[in-house]
Amino acid sequence: RKEVEQDPGPFNVPEGATVAFNCTYSNSASQSFFWYRQDCRKEPKLLMSVYSSGNEDGRFTAQLNRASQYISLLIRDSKLSDSATYLCVVYNFNKFYFGSGTKLNVKP
Amino acid sequence: DGGITQSPKYLFRKEGQNVTLSCEQNLNHDAMYWYRQDPGQGLRLIYYSQIVNDFQKGDIAEGYSVSREKKESFPLTVTSAQKNPTAFYLCASSQGPNVEKLFFGSGTQLSVL
Repeated sequence: RKEVEQDPGPFNVPEGATVAFNCTYSNSASQSFFWYRQDCRKEPKLLMSVYSSGNEDGRFTAQLNRASQYISLLIRDSKLSDSATYLCVVYNFNKFYFGSGTKLNVKP
Repeated sequence: DGGITQSPKYLFRKEGQNVTLSCEQNLNHDAMYWYRQDPGQGLRLIYYSQIVNDFQKGDIAEGYSVSREKKESFPLTVTSAQKNPTAFYLCASSQGPNVEKLFFGSGTQLSVL
């Protein structure tokens, strides 16, 4: 079983839509959780850390459910510039584990 | 500005050749990582190092080697034993325990001639 699993998409949405991505992880002892954004042929960049209490950064909201081992990312009012691949990342025991990414295409 | 520098951006390998990818950071981070990314897939860990002169194999270490002689530098050698080396290679660093955010270099695309 993979450490981190994501729906690969693609998610094709119109501008202004709200879109949600989900991710599950297998190791209940995992310590930290993140969402990264990756543009084509570029390095991943940290979008936000994820906390059990939920956290928000502008149009982006992340949530962690430790009991279900589930992480989510909600993007409101999608912009064309949000088109990218979103990577779910889990940290435990000195290693970072990456999901395969969910591709988002925001259309005009 | 502090950051991670990978070079070269593009690299071509001939059959039977070893090639070395460079990774340098001036963030004073203790931990450094090498990942491989194949098209449409996530990042897979090749090697990582938590401290100078020490490193551990990741999930796909076969056909690769590393060294960590200096805190700033973590070069990756792709040996001839790696039969399918074509991929996008990413170097990353983090400050260390309890500060786990990863910072990435801009990547090296390795292709086989």
